[in-house]
Amino acid sequence: DAGVIQSPRHEVTEMGQEVTLRCKPISGHDYLFWYRQTMMRGLELLIYFNNNVPIDDSGMPEDRFSAKMPNASFSTLKIQPSEPRDSAVYFCASSLVNSYNEQFFGPGTRLTVL
Amino acid sequence: AQTVTQSQPEMSVQEAETVTLSCTYDTSENNYYLFWYKQPPSRQMILVIRQEAYKQQNATENRFSVNFQKAAKSFSLKISDSQLGDTAMYFCAFAYFNDYKLSFGAGTTVTVRA
Repeated sequence: DAGVIQSPRHEVTEMGQEVTLRCKPISGHDYLFWYRQTMMRGLELLIYFNNNVPIDDSGMPEDRFSAKMPNASFSTLKIQPSEPRDSAVYFCASSLVNSYNEQFFGPGTRLTVL
Repeated sequence: AQTVTQSQPEMSVQEAETVTLSCTYDTSENNYYLFWYKQPPSRQMILVIRQEAYKQQNATENRFSVNFQKAAKSFSLKISDSQLGDTAMYFCAFAYFNDYKLSFGAGTTVTVRA
């Protein structure tokens, strides 16, 4: 299996622009997670899905952030409008039910908002 | 989110030596999982080792082993025979048995010196 795939790997944009991050989980996995990593706040869970349904979005920082999972093999995290404080590495991870809660991470997207 | 504390921001070890990373957590529950993840400079998050709280035996994966002290809520990672490729940030993480969310510690940066 190719593992969790994220695109793009790097994104540089200007404040106010819309940013869309993409994730393809490992085939067959039931759970999908979006994390944000910054120096100041470490790794934060933003939202997670089970069978394409959002379960907990309490970590989503503001209404500017939204996430969707239209099918089992694709998810997006959108920021509109983006701000410099959104600069971070965004990780997607997936997990299989009854697998000891082990999560497999993608390579991350480094987002820079100027 | 559960509180996971890693009190050592940075550690340095000579190649072939042993280093131990500390982690403590806070919970009143009995059923949970504990993990150590490695994040090398490539930033890919890689699972190193997992411990189920209901198991008394400490988990071991090759040169990596844990010291799980349930009563003390302590979960340390020992890296034996350190190799240059072990240079990375190491994160301790916690998850409840029936909850797929991970709570991460702040991380410990390990540098292996040649």
